[in-house]
Amino acid sequence: GQQLNQSPQSMFIQEGEDVSMNCTSSSIFNTWLWYKQDPGEGPVLLIALYKAGELTSNGRLTAQFGITRKDSFLNISASIPSDVGIYFCAGRFRASNTGKLIFGQGTTLQVKP
Amino acid sequence: DAGVIQSPRHEVTEMGQEVTLRCKPISGHDYLFWYRQTMMRGLELLIYFNNNVPIDDSGMPEDRFSAKMPNASFSTLKIQPSEPRDSAVYFCASSIMTGRPLTYNEQFFGPGTRLTVL
Repeated sequence: GQQLNQSPQSMFIQEGEDVSMNCTSSSIFNTWLWYKQDPGEGPVLLIALYKAGELTSNGRLTAQFGITRKDSFLNISASIPSDVGIYFCAGRFRASNTGKLIFGQGTTLQVKP
Repeated sequence: DAGVIQSPRHEVTEMGQEVTLRCKPISGHDYLFWYRQTMMRGLELLIYFNNNVPIDDSGMPEDRFSAKMPNASFSTLKIQPSEPRDSAVYFCASSIMTGRPLTYNEQFFGPGTRLTVL
């Protein structure tokens, strides 16, 4: 089936460090989304990307839609303890005629104060 | 602004019992999605609706699962009979088609229902 490869699977960093995670696909996407999920809650939309090469920021978060349309990355600058959680990428295949999103397996981020 | 509302937040039931999960999407949203999340399989789309009409139910695991959307502000996901392997967190999400293309991809999730089937 269609899959997204998200990496790394987990990260344990020191407060203040920058974080980078990415997702890749074997197929072309026309939408990339990044979500964050806190324990016991639903995923929260962080950033949405719609154009190849698009670079979008949301506070300390920056995400890019890869120019090949097959990848995306999310950067978090100067991490703080509340950045802890699971980050998911999600995308929609360009060839898809449905509203389905495909989700990555998630990157678990832990921040040491 | 009220987000997506789901009830109950937690459900514990015994195998064979019927379970009904409820969702109220964000007002004005015309897409509604049901997902299941497990450690093994991650987030899986079960079914989604557009303007109350089921569009794609290919993710529904089997006939024991059914979903309805009788109106724009309410949807249910029913499992009958429930089995232990149905234990998971079930999320409802909604989105809206605006004038900007593809914005309906921006799905907003509810807090989820944690289902445990004993």
